[in-house]
Amino acid sequence: DAMVIQNPRYQVTQFGKPVTLSCSQTLNHNVMYWYQQKSSQAPKLLFHYYDKDFNNEADTPDNFQSRRPNTSFCFLDIRSPGLGDAAMYLCATSRESGTNTDTQYFGPGTRLTVL
Amino acid sequence: TQLLEQSPQFLSIQEGENLTVYCNSSSVFSSLQWYRQEPGEGPVLLVTVVTGGEVKKLKRLTFQFGDARKDSSLHITAAQPGDTGLYLCAGKGGGADGLTFGKGTHLIIQP
Repeated sequence: DAMVIQNPRYQVTQFGKPVTLSCSQTLNHNVMYWYQQKSSQAPKLLFHYYDKDFNNEADTPDNFQSRRPNTSFCFLDIRSPGLGDAAMYLCATSRESGTNTDTQYFGPGTRLTVL
Repeated sequence: TQLLEQSPQFLSIQEGENLTVYCNSSSVFSSLQWYRQEPGEGPVLLVTVVTGGEVKKLKRLTFQFGDARKDSSLHITAAQPGDTGLYLCAGKGGGADGLTFGKGTHLIIQP
């Protein structure tokens, strides 16, 4: 049974055209994360929500925004995608963020192509 | 900024051979996780190590956390083609809520 679901799996957008990626979870976890993974690179944390509290990484561009309307769903909005934003976007969840052994569960990712 | 260096970046070996992948940092992590990622998919957790010197085994995979909690290794015995994939180490600590990932080791096991 899928626990972290990402839609769509593949997204194509045009340069400058806003795009929204979706993540949902059936685990009832408190924390939801968004990572960006470019080709042959490590996943990089963009931001995360602890319940309704939004936590942005210092080097995440303003072009990237996020919304979490409820526990189950979290969205990644890219306001004006550039060619450099083409990447795999990974959503992850965890029960708590502050413990050493807290496990993050990843979704299958959405591969974004910018034309 | 915490950094994790993984080596080797790429490794291609024959079925049945043994291999070790390393994950090193100058920073101390409260825990370290190993993931396996297949093309077009998200990372899947293999193990979490928390205590310095800890050793965990998962069938043919042996994970070790360094005594100082700055490094870790993954050893695979008698590798099989099904072990092919990208192996990522990720550290948690330093007050960060997210994970700091290494760049990964691309492993290919040839039949």
